[in-house]
Amino acid sequence: AQSVTQPDIHITVSEGASLELRCNYSYGATPYLFWYVQSPGQGLQLLLKYFSGDTLVQGIKGFEAEFKRSQSSFNLRKPSVHWSDAAEYFCAVGSTGGGNKLTFGTGTQLKVEL
Amino acid sequence: KAGVTQTPRYLIKTRGQQVTLSCSPISGHRSVSWYQQTPGQGLQFLFEYFSETQRNKGNFPGRFSGRQFSNSRSEMNVSTLELGDSALYLCASSGDPSITDTQYFGPGTRLTVL
Repeated sequence: AQSVTQPDIHITVSEGASLELRCNYSYGATPYLFWYVQSPGQGLQLLLKYFSGDTLVQGIKGFEAEFKRSQSSFNLRKPSVHWSDAAEYFCAVGSTGGGNKLTFGTGTQLKVEL
Repeated sequence: KAGVTQTPRYLIKTRGQQVTLSCSPISGHRSVSWYQQTPGQGLQFLFEYFSETQRNKGNFPGRFSGRQFSNSRSEMNVSTLELGDSALYLCASSGDPSITDTQYFGPGTRLTVL
């Protein structure tokens, strides 16, 4: 069965500092990978997704993620964090067996210090 | 274009009651998925509908059911509510039931079971 692990429950960074959120997946085939962000009282917003091709994918709000098959990882990065980036971030893997089912990690809560 | 709307936004019920939640997808979208979000279990897939047919179902008891109407609006029903059903229920829509198609999430319905 597919699964996603986000090892960091909470991360605190200073505004302007770089950010890396970790995500490891378990999936038999080539995975479809996603990063979503959730602000308080809001639904989930897609930041970026990886299906195939270039292993470095660019997303919205200045985020990027790199797919590393050898490490089963899909870490999210941002070179300079803004206070408005404070939110919860979810990594997810999608099933290639048909349909839209997503399996999510437990999330990483990002706090930004001014 | 209006986003995914969910009604009601907040709901309080007592154990043993039943509840119906509604989701209106983005205009033109025909695939609707439902997720349950709790602090303990995180985000879990409930089911997915496309063209009024359930295509995928998660590991939830039969008390959880759903349906989709011809206009793509979807409802989910939970019967015989338990305290553990307290959660944020999120609905997502996409144009077609392919994992490569971006899913757009609504703001969710916060259900509290007393």
